[in-house]
Amino acid sequence: QKEVEQDPGPLSVPEGAIVSLNCTYSNSAFQYFMWYRQYSRKGPELLMYTYSSGNKEDGRFTAQVDKSSKYISLFIRDSQPSDSATYLCAMSLGYQLIWGAGTKLIIKP
Amino acid sequence: EAGVTQFPSHSVIEKGQTVTLRCDPISGHDNLYWYRRVMGKEIKFLLHFVKESKQDESGMPNNRFLAERTGGTYSTLKVQPAELEDSGVYFCASSQDWEGSPQHFGDGTRLSIL
Repeated sequence: QKEVEQDPGPLSVPEGAIVSLNCTYSNSAFQYFMWYRQYSRKGPELLMYTYSSGNKEDGRFTAQVDKSSKYISLFIRDSQPSDSATYLCAMSLGYQLIWGAGTKLIIKP
Repeated sequence: EAGVTQFPSHSVIEKGQTVTLRCDPISGHDNLYWYRRVMGKEIKFLLHFVKESKQDESGMPNNRFLAERTGGTYSTLKVQPAELEDSGVYFCASSQDWEGSPQHFGDGTRLSIL
């Protein structure tokens, strides 16, 4: 069983929709929770970074962590075609990051 | 502020040859990491430097891989001799000096072994 499970998609939604991306994990020792966005042929770009259970908002993005359920989410409001990318969740174990497979998101104009 | 830079962006070599990848971290970042993504798999941790010292190399696949960070600035990752299974994208990241500090990534080196 993988430590971090993430549906690879693709997930296709119309422009303006609310997008929900999720990861589950099995290791309760994970400390920090991150969402990265990756465009084709580019490196992962840090979007959201959280530590405790609860919600964190940054513009159109909201990250949610539920440590009791070992579940994290990323919500994107008013999705735009420019949001089309692969979204990766990552969790820290000491200095190492443990990654999900990434979800490919397609926003249709 | 310049981000993490990696060179080359793409390398194609034959099995048995040697390749050296380079990473320049964000200025002032003492922590430097190497990760790898092989096709169809998740990104995997390879190793972690603090300044010039290797703190954790538990993810290095075997002794054909050698990482260095002379002077605590840029880092190199050498693969010698390269095997077919070494193909993938090698990412470098850097962070500030506390555990859990956000890691910032370069665009990676795409390595193809023929």
